[in-house]
Amino acid sequence: GENVEQHPSTLSVQEGDSAVIKCTYSDSASNYFPWYKQELGKRPQLIIDIRSNVGEKKDQRIAVTLNKTAKHFSLHITETQPEDSAVYFCAASIDDMRFGAGTRLTVKP
Amino acid sequence: EPEVTQTPSHQVTQMGQEVILRCVPISNHLYFYWYRQILGQKVEFLVSFYNNEISEKSEIFDDQFSVERPDGSNFTLKIRSTKLEDSAMYFCASSVDRSSYEQYFGPGTRLTVT
Repeated sequence: GENVEQHPSTLSVQEGDSAVIKCTYSDSASNYFPWYKQELGKRPQLIIDIRSNVGEKKDQRIAVTLNKTAKHFSLHITETQPEDSAVYFCAASIDDMRFGAGTRLTVKP
Repeated sequence: EPEVTQTPSHQVTQMGQEVILRCVPISNHLYFYWYRQILGQKVEFLVSFYNNEISEKSEIFDDQFSVERPDGSNFTLKIRSTKLEDSAMYFCASSVDRSSYEQYFGPGTRLTVT
């Protein structure tokens, strides 16, 4: 089955800096790659996703890039704010969705 | 905006007891999912359900688990004989189409097995 690796496990940045989280996946048939933000005690919330026919997608301060050849995808958050602090999960999907282990992002004011 | 709902928010049960976790997916969605998240760990796929049958299931989803859509709105997860290690947050999700589409998560049910 699909295996998703996510790095780093924790990331601390200063407010206004950029944050980058990277994921790799094992199954080249995966075709959908969402990113979820989870605040403490809350449900995962979809923040951005990308499909395998696209290399990059941007939504305001958030962007995702996908390299299908290398089987990795990344989340980029620019101009980070304290409210971006949360755990971020990547996932890869064919018929079922497999999540990475999560990155705890802390944005220091 | 329509949301996935789940009940109860917290369930405490004794080891060996059966529990049923309930979900109401978004009304026009066709695919339903259950995920598990042990405290502090990643979200783990359990099962997907489409057209009144299981579509995919993970290695976690063994014989003690079952899912059902008993009526037109509810989607349930039953754990037959709970174990201590079943303690986790259980999330239901739904999507318009199969898993290559956005999945919307419910607020979760925290299951505590004592």
